[in-house]
Amino acid sequence: DAGVTQSPTHLIKTRGQQVTLRCSPKSGHDTVSWYQQALGQGPQFIFQYYEEEERQRGNFPDRFSGHQFPNYSSELNVNALLLGDSALYLCASSLIRASKNIQYFGAGTRLSVL
Amino acid sequence: AQSVTQPDIHITVSEGASLELRCNYSYGATPYLFWYVQSPGQGLQLLLKYFSGDTLVQGIKGFEAEFKRSQSSFNLRKPSVHWSDAAEYFCAVGSSLSGGSYIPTFGRGTSLIVHP
Repeated sequence: DAGVTQSPTHLIKTRGQQVTLRCSPKSGHDTVSWYQQALGQGPQFIFQYYEEEERQRGNFPDRFSGHQFPNYSSELNVNALLLGDSALYLCASSLIRASKNIQYFGAGTRLSVL
Repeated sequence: AQSVTQPDIHITVSEGASLELRCNYSYGATPYLFWYVQSPGQGLQLLLKYFSGDTLVQGIKGFEAEFKRSQSSFNLRKPSVHWSDAAEYFCAVGSSLSGGSYIPTFGRGTSLIVHP
């Protein structure tokens, strides 16, 4: 049973560029959440997708956008990259129908903005 | 707004010694509480969770945590630490969304260092 998988594992971009990160949820899960973890900090919630729609959003600018596909996989897009966007980006999946559903995390994508 | 405080940035213990990591939360209603562990280069692994009921919660890898409403705390404990427990530990409180889903708010983490 594959867990949450994210690609790529590492990425280097320059300021002003755009980036797309990908996430495949754990088998059987239908909800995907994205988090940003800056160095030395805890993860911060970006947004959550369910049924291909953004269900909830954290305090992040519109430069951060996402998408969920019919197979439940998801993408995180960041436009006009800033140095401060350098972080580990974590994807978590869950099953919304489950009682007190638990989020399972992937290993993350390390984004470096130069 | 909900928040989590982990007052210790680093904790150093000797292998075989007991461990307690502190977590205090702020949340208006009955919280969902979690402890996650993150090893270098890895994602987050759930150690244990509290939703309701028994305030002493058992988790994986020999960890336990106790929910104390009066102190707004959810401290993580282990009676005997192993070298492989060295990692970053995150406490989180979850706010519920409709349909039973939740969004966790994480503390900044406590780094556990284990001396042989």
